[in-house]
Amino acid sequence: AQSVTQLGSHVSVSEGALVLLRCNYSSSVPPYLFWYVQYPNQGLQLLLKYTSAATLVKGINGFEAEFKKSETSFHLTKPSAHMSDAAEYFCAVSHTGTASKLTFGTGTRLQVTL
Amino acid sequence: EAQVTQNPRYLITVTGKKLTVTCSQNMNHEYMSWYRQDPGLGLRQIYYSMNVEVTDKGDVPEGYKVSRKEKRNFPLILESPSPNQTSLYFCASSTPGEQFFGPGTRLTVL
Repeated sequence: AQSVTQLGSHVSVSEGALVLLRCNYSSSVPPYLFWYVQYPNQGLQLLLKYTSAATLVKGINGFEAEFKKSETSFHLTKPSAHMSDAAEYFCAVSHTGTASKLTFGTGTRLQVTL
Repeated sequence: EAQVTQNPRYLITVTGKKLTVTCSQNMNHEYMSWYRQDPGLGLRQIYYSMNVEVTDKGDVPEGYKVSRKEKRNFPLILESPSPNQTSLYFCASSTPGEQFFGPGTRLTVL
């Protein structure tokens, strides 16, 4: 069965510091992987996705993630945090090779401090 | 504007009183889903639909019903709500490459 593990339910960084949100997956087939962001009182918005092309994926708002098959990881990074990055972030894996059916991780809440 | 809409956005109800949460999308997507979001559990899929009149259970279907009579609409029905269904609900529609989420419905069952 496919699953996703997000290490750290809460992460706090200073403004300007590196953001690193961890995601490990398990999948019996080559996975499609996604990162979504949820701002307070809003729905989920796609940040970026990996669909078996380039292993380093660039997304919106300066975020990027690297697919590492040997580590079964898809960690999300941003070189310099901004206050507006404070949100909850979800990693998700596809069962079917499309975005239509996703299994989500439990989420990581990012806090950005001055 | 391409979007997924849900109504109502907030609902407080009592145990056993049937309710329906509506979901509509204007992107002509075939695939639609319902999720619930609970603290520490992330999003869990309740039901999904691959096209009109084609629906199937997700990971947590107990206590819910859905129907898909038109491509754009995918209502979620709670025939007899219970307090353990208090949650934040999201509808989504998708292409093969991306899921698009509605703004959410916060349901409280007393």
